[in-house]
Amino acid sequence: DTEVTQTPKHLVMGMTNKKSLKCEQHMGHRAMYWYKQKAKKPPELMFVYSYEKLSINESVPSRFSPECPNSSLLNLHLHALQPEDSALYLCASSKTKDPNTEAFFGQGTRLTVV
Amino acid sequence: SQKIEQNSEALNIQEGKTATLTCNYTNYSPAYLQWYRQDPGRGPVFLLLIRENEKEKRKERLKVTFDTTLKQSLFHITASQPADSATYLCALDITGGSYIPTFGRGTSLIVHP
Repeated sequence: DTEVTQTPKHLVMGMTNKKSLKCEQHMGHRAMYWYKQKAKKPPELMFVYSYEKLSINESVPSRFSPECPNSSLLNLHLHALQPEDSALYLCASSKTKDPNTEAFFGQGTRLTVV
Repeated sequence: SQKIEQNSEALNIQEGKTATLTCNYTNYSPAYLQWYRQDPGRGPVFLLLIRENEKEKRKERLKVTFDTTLKQSLFHITASQPADSATYLCALDITGGSYIPTFGRGTSLIVHP
């Protein structure tokens, strides 16, 4: 199994809602990532977890809250988002943070904030 | 400031020709560089990784070169096919040893039958 599975595929939420994005991998990878991608822009790193511990937070607003319950799961909790947060949210994993390892990406969650 | 530059204009080529995409970077010396393919509305797919001490890497119809003097990587697809049409992103460690890839904006490749 070389897949990273993200749910849901699409999400529409109001600015007062609370929702969560989920990401799962069963490749035994110990590094997991959240990226945000706007149209015609490159993926931008948000968070990195290494061995279930938050390793990097790229100055992301607190309305985005990551969680890594175990080595296979990664969540992104969303609260009080703004319309400009609408984007494709990508989860990725790699064996470790070692530069010799490739990253496997999920298909993304297309988020629309109304 | 540190930058990764890829040609923002789409590259249009005829089927069977070789496509060459460019990734330039400034003000940094990455330990490695990766190339990914991304189709619309989908996550990037890893293609190749090349390290700073490697000049060239090949995989089937793909070839990547890495010139640390020019601060440039070239990505070649030989015998291109319409199915190769996608956006190709280069990624490198631009944050100083954290080994987390930072992506260029990508170049769209369109292969015409």
